[in-house]
Amino acid sequence: GEDVEQSLFLSVREGDSSVINCTYTDSSSTYLYWYKQEPGAGLQLLTYIFSNMDMKQDQRLTVLLNKKDKHLSLRIADTQTGDSAIYFCAESSITDSWGKLQFGAGTQVVVTP
Amino acid sequence: DTGVSQNPRHKITKRGQNVTFRCDPISEHNRLYWYRQTLGQGPEFLTYFQNEAQLEKSRLLSDRFSAERPKGSFSTLEIQRTEQGDSAMYLCASSWGRDTEYEQYFGPGTRLTVT
Repeated sequence: GEDVEQSLFLSVREGDSSVINCTYTDSSSTYLYWYKQEPGAGLQLLTYIFSNMDMKQDQRLTVLLNKKDKHLSLRIADTQTGDSAIYFCAESSITDSWGKLQFGAGTQVVVTP
Repeated sequence: DTGVSQNPRHKITKRGQNVTFRCDPISEHNRLYWYRQTLGQGPEFLTYFQNEAQLEKSRLLSDRFSAERPKGSFSTLEIQRTEQGDSAMYLCASSWGRDTEYEQYFGPGTRLTVT
């Protein structure tokens, strides 16, 4: 089946930029997402990008999509301690059940003072 | 708009018992999804409703699992004869299936522990 892969852990100092990377295999992926999960909580939709876009910026968040390499990244500018969480990359494909999300295993981001 | 809610938040049950979880989606969202998340993993798709119709079920959803959305609003997920391997976080999400079906909003989840 289709796979979404992420690095498991990222440590970053407060005030620095964080970059979380993701690769996917489904060439028919239509939307690619970033979700944030804090301990004991559900998933918060941070941002998403349509596959015909290369970049999307939303306040401190910048999403870059390299469709040729099937690589997605999330950059968080001026990282704060409140950004410590697990970040999930996910994709959905129009050829699959519309809206069904395929998630990676998540990247734990730890922000140190 | 109070967001997606799920009840109970935590459930501890003994192996072999039946459990039922409830999900209330964001009002007017006509699509509802169930996912399961085990420790250290991302959520895995279980099933999906558009209004009251269950349109897809994952192969992860064994015969012991059943989901309903009788009036196209709230949904229930029942697990019969629970097994220890059913221990997980069960997440519900909803979306508005007209132009924004790609924006899925998740509830806080129900954490199931089977002893």
